[in-house]
Amino acid sequence: AQSVTQLGSHVSVSEGALVLLRCNYASSVPPYLFWYVQYPNQGLQLLLKYTSAATRVKGINGFEAEFKKSETSFHLTKPSAHMSDAAEYFCAVSDPPGFQKLVFGTGTRLLVSP
Amino acid sequence: DTAVSQTPKYLVTQMGNDKSIKCEQNLGHDTMYWYKQDSKKFLKIMFSYNNKELIINETVPNRFSPKSPDKAHLNLHINSLELGDSAVYFCASSQRPSEGETQYFGPGTRLLVL
Repeated sequence: AQSVTQLGSHVSVSEGALVLLRCNYASSVPPYLFWYVQYPNQGLQLLLKYTSAATRVKGINGFEAEFKKSETSFHLTKPSAHMSDAAEYFCAVSDPPGFQKLVFGTGTRLLVSP
Repeated sequence: DTAVSQTPKYLVTQMGNDKSIKCEQNLGHDTMYWYKQDSKKFLKIMFSYNNKELIINETVPNRFSPKSPDKAHLNLHINSLELGDSAVYFCASSQRPSEGETQYFGPGTRLLVL
């Protein structure tokens, strides 16, 4: 079965600093990988996804991620944090066969200080 | 226009009661899902339906019964509610998950069992 591991349940950055949220996956087949963001008391919103096209993908709100097969990683980055980026971030992998379900990591809470 | 909507948003009830959560999507998707998010923010799939047919049932107690009257609706009925059922329940939909297409999430239903 597929799985993802998110290192760090909490990440704190200062406004304007680089954001790096880590995600490593385990997959028996080429994966589909996703990053979702959840703001307090809201649903999940897709930030970006990897579906075997370009290994570096751009998403909304200035976020990017790079798929590295050799490292089984799909880390999320943003060059300059904004206060509005404070939220819970989830990495997820589609589970074969059929890729019908998402398997989520445990989430990383991003805290942004002024 | 809300793509995936859920009602109610909040649900507070007593142990032993029966309750339903409704989900509707206006995206024209064929596949719908129910996910459960526990108090530690961990997200796990419960059910998946494709064109009104059950595809995934992830070892959920049979007190939980999904029903899909048409492909735009997927409701969740819960019998004999228990304290451990307290969680946030998210509905989601997707068109072609086998091709890595995005799952779109509703705003969630926050269930509290007293």
